[in-house]
Amino acid sequence: NFMLTQPQSVSESPGKTVTISCTGISGRIDSNYVQWYQQRPGSAPMSVIFEDKKRPSGVPDRFSGSIDTSTNSASLTISGLKTEDEADYYCQSYDGNNRKVFGGGTKLTVL
Amino acid sequence: QVHLVQSGAEVKKPGSSVKVSCKASGGKFSDYVFSWVRQAPGQGLEWMGQIIPIFGTTNYAQKFQDRVTIIADESTMTSYMELTNLRYEDTAVYFCARETGQGGNFEYWGQGTQVTVSS
Repeated sequence: NFMLTQPQSVSESPGKTVTISCTGISGRIDSNYVQWYQQRPGSAPMSVIFEDKKRPSGVPDRFSGSIDTSTNSASLTISGLKTEDEADYYCQSYDGNNRKVFGGGTKLTVL
Repeated sequence: QVHLVQSGAEVKKPGSSVKVSCKASGGKFSDYVFSWVRQAPGQGLEWMGQIIPIFGTTNYAQKFQDRVTIIADESTMTSYMELTNLRYEDTAVYFCARETGQGGNFEYWGQGTQVTVSS
């Protein structure tokens, strides 16, 4: 079964750049699109990147997404970090049967 | 603007069933894929299944295949998720989400429904 694995946590200082990885297991990461969601405590997730690298309306261009086939991984990069970016981030894709898959989530701390 | 409004919190006994609703407004209903995603306390997001209302077709995660049913009522623009044979580990917040585009992106989310399984 296709799975996605993420680091449990990352931390960085305000104003810096952080990258969160999402590695595909038992399947190619570029077989289907990857999405990224931001979730703050007590709230529903919010899409910040869709179809690998597109940004929904209203998401600042500090957020960017990419795919690296050499490492079979997707990445979410956040530049110019702000304290408001502190949240959990989840990658998501789907398998050949259109069953959706989420990564385990990464807790971003901005300190 | 699309809004998804879910039903209220539930407390259920082990072995019973729960049915959560998700009412859509502000956009077309039938043409889009609606999914249900849950999140246990302190845990990550877990996809349970989906429905395409216009076709009535469903697709469930293997883990929930035997216990979950997702339906859609086009007349009320409401999706329902029923989970049977509840266990303590089913205690979670349950979200509905609607996809946009071709890539499986959950653009719109409900506010979440807390389901607590307790004796």
